[in-house]
Amino acid sequence: AQSVTQLDSQVPVFEEAPVELRCNYSSSVSVYLFWYVQYPNQGLQLLLKYLSGSTLVESINGFEAEFNKSQTSFHLRKPSVHISDTAEYFCAVTMKGGKLIFGQGTELSVKP
Amino acid sequence: NAGVTQTPKFQVLKTGQSMTLQCAQDMNHNSMYWYRQDPGMGLRLIYYSASEGTTDKGEVPNGYNVSRLNKREFSLRLESAAPSQTSVYFCASRGTAFSSYEQYFGPGTRLTVT
Repeated sequence: AQSVTQLDSQVPVFEEAPVELRCNYSSSVSVYLFWYVQYPNQGLQLLLKYLSGSTLVESINGFEAEFNKSQTSFHLRKPSVHISDTAEYFCAVTMKGGKLIFGQGTELSVKP
Repeated sequence: NAGVTQTPKFQVLKTGQSMTLQCAQDMNHNSMYWYRQDPGMGLRLIYYSASEGTTDKGEVPNGYNVSRLNKREFSLRLESAAPSQTSVYFCASRGTAFSSYEQYFGPGTRLTVT
């Protein structure tokens, strides 16, 4: 069975500092991987996804994630965070045509 | 193009009352989903519908029923609400093209059962 583990429930960081949100998954077959972001009192929005091809994927607002098959990880990184990045971030995995399995979420809190 | 819409946004119920959460999408997606979100537990799948006319149980279906009314609409019903069903409920939809494995989410319904 598939599962997703987000290793940190809360990550406090100062503005303009780098950040890494960690995600590990378990699956015996090929998977597709996603990061979603949830701003306060809103629904989830897709941040970036890995389906195939280059293992490094980027979002339009400076986040990137790298698919590492040998370590079964899909960590999310940003070199310099802004106050507006404060949100909850969810890692998710699915097999082809399957359902999404979500991690528990990581609350990113950016302080001035 | 509104995407995925949900009604109501907020609801307070007494234990034992019933209600239906409504969801609609205008993206011509085949698959639709209902999740609940609880602190520290991520999103858990309640029910899903892979296509019009089909529904299947997810991870936490007990206490809920669903109806896929047509391709656009997918409703979630609580027949006899319990305090354990206090949660935020999200509806989502997904297309079937290879590039569309991501799900699109509605704004959520905050339900409190007292």
